[in-house]
Amino acid sequence: SQQGEEDPQALSIQEGENATMNCSYKTSINNLQWYRQNSGRGLVHLILIRSNEREKHSGRLRVTLDTSKKSSSLLITASRAADTASYFCATDSNYQLIWGAGTKLIIKP
Amino acid sequence: KAGVTQTPRYLIKTRGQQVTLSCSPISGHRSVSWYQQTPGQGLQFLFEYFSETQRNKGNFPGRFSGRQFSNSRSEMNVSTLELGDSALYLCASSVGLAGGNEQFFGPGTRLTVL
Repeated sequence: SQQGEEDPQALSIQEGENATMNCSYKTSINNLQWYRQNSGRGLVHLILIRSNEREKHSGRLRVTLDTSKKSSSLLITASRAADTASYFCATDSNYQLIWGAGTKLIIKP
Repeated sequence: KAGVTQTPRYLIKTRGQQVTLSCSPISGHRSVSWYQQTPGQGLQFLFEYFSETQRNKGNFPGRFSGRQFSNSRSEMNVSTLELGDSALYLCASSVGLAGGNEQFFGPGTRLTVL
């Protein structure tokens, strides 16, 4: 069974716009990670946020974590064609990573 | 540093056969995790090995097994293959346990069971 659930399942935006995707989970976690998967580079780690952190930034990426709502969001600003990919959240509970089904993001030129 | 390598990249087997997949982690990484990825089920955790010990196991039948060697290289074995085992099998390595550390993924082994 999957603990993380991404929302939306698919998202299509214009290049230059911001993209926001969400992840909800069911049980308490130690950490939450976001990964990106595209055909060219495979699965790549984006950000790890710990349960005592509320926000983290990495370049054009911003991740928030709300443990009271058991949810996280990933914001990609000023999107580029290269951001076209599937984005997954993975939650760490009892030292096992459980993955959501992913959000498929398409950036239109 | 070389990345995570997986061999073979592609494999075609028939039902009932068994298969062994290999993963070489990044040098210095002690954790290796295995995942099955299918279009219908997404990414499913198989197991994680750390310092030659299985630390966690996902919800897969006993036909799926693995091991890790002293040099951190890992193998997974699937016996008595079924059609539903057709999938992309991904290996990932990390410095420490996967839950608290960035994982680096290999390109995967595409297994087709006929």
